[in-house]
Amino acid sequence: NAGVTQTPKFQVLKTGQSMTLQCAQDMNHEYMSWYRQDPGMGLRLIHYSVGAGITDQGEVPNGYNVSRSTTEDFPLRLLSAAPSQTSVYFCASSYWTANTGELFFGEGSRLTVL
Amino acid sequence: EDQVTQSPEALRLQEGESSSLNCSYTVSGLRGLFWYRQDPGKGPEFLFTLYSAGEEKEKERLKATLTKKESFLHITAPKPEDSATYLCAVQKLGGSYIPTFGRGTSLIVHP
Repeated sequence: NAGVTQTPKFQVLKTGQSMTLQCAQDMNHEYMSWYRQDPGMGLRLIHYSVGAGITDQGEVPNGYNVSRSTTEDFPLRLLSAAPSQTSVYFCASSYWTANTGELFFGEGSRLTVL
Repeated sequence: EDQVTQSPEALRLQEGESSSLNCSYTVSGLRGLFWYRQDPGKGPEFLFTLYSAGEEKEKERLKATLTKKESFLHITAPKPEDSATYLCAVQKLGGSYIPTFGRGTSLIVHP
């Protein structure tokens, strides 16, 4: 059981470049989400999904796109990277019931935008 | 607006020196309160869920308690391996079940 797998672990981009952060889970969780974590800011929700084909915006969605074509995968796309998107990104999943607060997190993807 | 405030921001303890971390919240009806532990360079790891005032959960040296306005994470006789950032999150009744996270308390336990 791998849990939540994120790739890549580290990435350096130049301003304006695009890229996709991958997230996969093997627990058959309906709920998947992306957070960014910045010093002093805590975890902020970017986008989330409650099932295949369903996505919605979180607190800080601008500059990011998501899709959910399968239950297992929830990629996060940066359309045109900006230095303000330098952060650590976490993917998290859970069952879409009363347990959405009991999240399983990936190991994180550290992104630097120059 | 829903708010989750954790205090202190940082805490340094000597090994064996018991203490408590605080998570105060303002939500229009609490569905659940969650504690997580995050080690440096890792994702948060779920610890406890509390649902109602008076409820307590324990795991090794950690005990989480809940009142109507706050939760405490008590650490009894901590060891250096308890050093981590502890995060609190709340889930409110009705509407979206998305949890709101606090900014965390960074705990360092010195040997």
